[in-house]
Amino acid sequence: AQSVTQPDIHITVSEGASLELRCNYSYGATPYLFWYVQSPGQGLQLLLKYFSGDTLVQGIKGFEAEFKRSQSSFNLRKPSVHWSDAAEYFCAVVPGGTSYGKLTFGQGTILTVHP
Amino acid sequence: SAVISQKPSRDICQRGTSLTIQCQVDSQVTMMFWYRQQPGQSLTLIATANQGSEATYESGFVIDKFPISRPNLTFSTLTVSNMSPEDSSIYLCSVEGLTSGSPSTDTQYFGPGTRLTVL
Repeated sequence: AQSVTQPDIHITVSEGASLELRCNYSYGATPYLFWYVQSPGQGLQLLLKYFSGDTLVQGIKGFEAEFKRSQSSFNLRKPSVHWSDAAEYFCAVVPGGTSYGKLTFGQGTILTVHP
Repeated sequence: SAVISQKPSRDICQRGTSLTIQCQVDSQVTMMFWYRQQPGQSLTLIATANQGSEATYESGFVIDKFPISRPNLTFSTLTVSNMSPEDSSIYLCSVEGLTSGSPSTDTQYFGPGTRLTVL
């Protein structure tokens, strides 16, 4: 069955430390991949997306993600975390090759940032 | 990207009643979707709102419980009918495919959500 897995439910880092949030997918073909962030009481904001091409994609707020086909992964990274990055992060996929596809979300990773 | 608004932003309702949530976009879009986010959970797609025709529902969701309208390319409503406490969730609409301006096919943008509590 097609699925998206975020293995870490909750991650805590210190402000200024680096961050990596994991995402693995299980699909027959390379899907379209997304990372969204949800701040408390807010809707979802798109951080970045990958459709094809360069496997390292840059997003907003200093985030980047790397697509690794061999590992079926699309991990989100940030070199130096700010307190305002505390939020819940969702990895999501759409089956590749389809337009107007339906998003399937991972379970989310809650990020806590210590001063 | 489009600017998406939802009304109400939150509501507290009594069981057995119904609530209609509105989603308004400032640009014409091809696709609109409705998602549910139960407490502490991820997002689950309820249905695709089709303009001028019946919505397409995902497994586990039915029209009698979640009737959806989409009269034009900028507006949709989701009704949560005969509510029970299990319906307490955040309901989010999303849009895809601006019909003009910068293309945004294959990328969904979300509204701020409606937080529903059923007592």
